[in-house]
Amino acid sequence: DTGVSQDPRHKITKRGQNVTFRCDPISEHNRLYWYRQTLGQGPEFLTYFQNEAQLEKSRLLSDRFSAERPKGSFSTLEIQRTEQGDSAMYLCASSLGQGALGETQYFGPGTRLLVL
Amino acid sequence: AQTVTQSQPEMSVQEAETVTLSCTYDTSESDYYLFWYKQPPSRQMILVIRQEAYKQQNATENRFSVNFQKAAKSFSLKISDSQLGDAAMYFCAYRFSENTGTASKLTFGTGTRLQVTL
Repeated sequence: DTGVSQDPRHKITKRGQNVTFRCDPISEHNRLYWYRQTLGQGPEFLTYFQNEAQLEKSRLLSDRFSAERPKGSFSTLEIQRTEQGDSAMYLCASSLGQGALGETQYFGPGTRLLVL
Repeated sequence: AQTVTQSQPEMSVQEAETVTLSCTYDTSESDYYLFWYKQPPSRQMILVIRQEAYKQQNATENRFSVNFQKAAKSFSLKISDSQLGDAAMYFCAYRFSENTGTASKLTFGTGTRLQVTL
């Protein structure tokens, strides 16, 4: 068990460019979550997957954002036509999804995005 | 909508002393989970402790314990024998119970930054 990993850890891009982040959950965790955290705030829910199915999306997830989880393993979060307001830490978490203890979410180190 | 409020932006404690971080939440549900997460500077968020709302007994994990007051919708974290490594941002979080059938997303408070001094 190597924990949740995210890549890249840091990304600097120019406004208008597209960026893609990757998250690898803990193996055998069938639930995967994306959150966004801005400076001085707690993480805010963006979307979550159970296996390969995207079950819920927050209103924070505008049309420029898309997330996928092909084959129910790793997930990608793409932001198209980035804006300065997209600058934030993007956190990924996973959970086993079975039973009470299985609902504990384990977080990755995050991808810090800076849009210039 | 569920909300989580942490009214203490910053707290300070001396090493070996005890500190309590406050958290209140608002929900109309009766079955849910509450969590405290720790986020050290430039490091990932880790779970400190969790509490199931249907359990009356307060959760404890070594030096960490909670005071869960369901009627008051209060969920404070007590850290005993504070250590330098406890310095971090602490987030209180809420989520629905699995039985409600809604998304298991976490709703976080704004966090409390804990400083530990010698």
